[in-house]
Amino acid sequence: EAAVTQSPRNKVTVTGGNVTLSCRQTNSHNYMYWYRQDTGHGLRLIHYSYGAGNLQIGDVPDGYKATRTTQEDFFLLLELASPSQTSLYFCASSGQGPNERLFFGHGTKLSVL
Amino acid sequence: QQKVQQSPESLIVPEGGMASLNCTSSDRNVDYFWWYRQHSGKSPKMLMSIFSNGEKEEGRFTVHLNKASLHTSLHIRDSQPSDSALYLCAASRTGNTGKLIFGLGTTLQVQP
Repeated sequence: EAAVTQSPRNKVTVTGGNVTLSCRQTNSHNYMYWYRQDTGHGLRLIHYSYGAGNLQIGDVPDGYKATRTTQEDFFLLLELASPSQTSLYFCASSGQGPNERLFFGHGTKLSVL
Repeated sequence: QQKVQQSPESLIVPEGGMASLNCTSSDRNVDYFWWYRQHSGKSPKMLMSIFSNGEKEEGRFTVHLNKASLHTSLHIRDSQPSDSALYLCAASRTGNTGKLIFGLGTTLQVQP
């Protein structure tokens, strides 16, 4: 089973704070993704990447930055966090090709007070 | 409006019963359909995928796809309490690796 590890598992910050969520995959996958999951909205794609140094904008990118430093590591940055960013964040990775499944990390629960 | 719509929103079936979940895409450019299962407090895991018209069976799970109507369905026979979970349907386009559009899901509860 492919391995995707997220940190931290839980994070609490205040409005206006800076937050960095980390994700590492050891699957040798080219593609990595950041999703947020919210009741009533489901899973929504924030940013994704094809490889180190590459960044693609997802469907709900406002308020988020991301950086892919290596093939293994993908970071999600929240500068000036807002309560609307309180959510469950999932990182995922996949191989190249439209028929490749996503492997998800265990998630990071973020609360912005 | 959700581009991938799932029904029903929730479903209760008795242990040993059949569960049927539905999913339709309003995006006519999608080519691939996926079913992910998410147990409470866990991350989604791919359950089944289907890319061609017809039917695919894996154990107790059967998935159907009608590409003309962009409708897929998942059927679980001999449902078990361990099948209780959120079932997420997703669709993607050729050339958009991993850029899945997820539905809101169907919550399945299997009662012993």
